[in-house]
Amino acid sequence: GAVVSQHPSRVICKSGTSVKIECRSLDFQATTMFWYRQFPKKSLMLMATSNEGSKATYEQGVEKDKFLINHASLTLSTLTVTSAHPEDSSFYICSEQTSGNEQFFGPGTRLTVL
Amino acid sequence: AQSVTQLGSHVSVSEGALVLLRCNYSSSVPPYLFWYVQYPNQGLQLLLKYTSAATLVKGINGFEAEFKKSETSFHLTKPSAHMSDAAEYFCAVSGGNQFYFGTGTSLTVIP
Repeated sequence: GAVVSQHPSRVICKSGTSVKIECRSLDFQATTMFWYRQFPKKSLMLMATSNEGSKATYEQGVEKDKFLINHASLTLSTLTVTSAHPEDSSFYICSEQTSGNEQFFGPGTRLTVL
Repeated sequence: AQSVTQLGSHVSVSEGALVLLRCNYSSSVPPYLFWYVQYPNQGLQLLLKYTSAATLVKGINGFEAEFKKSETSFHLTKPSAHMSDAAEYFCAVSGGNQFYFGTGTSLTVIP
């Protein structure tokens, strides 16, 4: 299956700063990648669909100006949490979908905002 | 529209006992169904998937699931639980290019 990496795996930042999370497809050219957010003991919530070379499609209730997504190449999508606040603390996971209708997930990034 | 419902947010079994995690789906088209496992602070790992081939799907780590259209179910089973099976399990259905996840079932294995 496809291999997806995320960096960093864990980040702690002060309130008001911006944090960038990278999601890389290591062995597959992904035109579409997905960003999820997972709260403790909760399921994954789809935040947005990242499309290579075009604007991301955000789910209802997700602030596009707060969570900036850039998919500049077929192997890299980034999520930037702008002006992070403690309520943004969460586990963020990206995934890519292959032609076989299967999604491969990155290992996740734990964001803690102090 | 697609959705999945996982019955039981927490399941506890004794080591060596049968594992049964329940998932029911709703789909207006023939579904693609998946089970994923998540260990603490890690991403999701695919256990198995159903893509309209055999109704009994075998996955990794001894898990299997049976697609039952009449019951709209895709329950996950394992004959004998290991301590290492303790994790969070998610059922998902694919619709177009989106996944719809269940709320997850936390499996505890009692020694």
